[in-house]
Amino acid sequence: QKEVEQNSGPLSVPEGAIASLNCTYSDRGSQSFFWYRQYSGKSPELIMFIYSNGDKEDGRFTAQLNKASQYVSLLIRDSQPSDSATYLCAATRFNKFYFGSGTKLNVKP
Amino acid sequence: GAVVSQHPSWVICKSGTSVKIECRSLDFQATTMFWYRQFPKQSLMLMATSNEGSKATYEQGVEKDKFLINHASLTLSTLTVTSAHPEDSSFYICSARGGGPYNEQFFGPGTRLTVL
Repeated sequence: QKEVEQNSGPLSVPEGAIASLNCTYSDRGSQSFFWYRQYSGKSPELIMFIYSNGDKEDGRFTAQLNKASQYVSLLIRDSQPSDSATYLCAATRFNKFYFGSGTKLNVKP
Repeated sequence: GAVVSQHPSWVICKSGTSVKIECRSLDFQATTMFWYRQFPKQSLMLMATSNEGSKATYEQGVEKDKFLINHASLTLSTLTVTSAHPEDSSFYICSARGGGPYNEQFFGPGTRLTVL
């Protein structure tokens, strides 16, 4: 079992819709969770992190964490074609950092 | 956010030669640096973790004699691909930790290596 699991997609949403990206993790001791965006041919870019149960909002992005269900999600409101990328979820425990394999998001104009 | 640079951004070399890639944290001291490799349309693969002043910890299956990592200071780590072969052609990305309060990793822009 992988430490962090993501559906590879692609997830296709129309422009202006809400994109919902999901991630599960296996280690209940995981402490912090991160969402990275990676455009094709580029390196990952940190979008958000969350470490407490509940929601955390930053502009069009909302990260949600449910530690009981070991579930992390990223909502992107008013999706734009420029949001089309692969989104990587990561979990940390002490000094170990575990990445999911990423979900490819396509936002269609 | 914290800034990490990599040099060179791309390199083409002949088979059998060695290539050195530098990773620098520009505005923070990186307690830990990571080296990843990514093949086209595949996910990140962690190669090794390095802490300043100590030997790197390599992931299973990564040859430490082929991928030499030096973390000489809190702002610089280098990866040397020795005796490169075409199968080593890949996108190499470093990241650094220490610039944020939650142990987040900040990635460099990556180095695209092509071995002819």
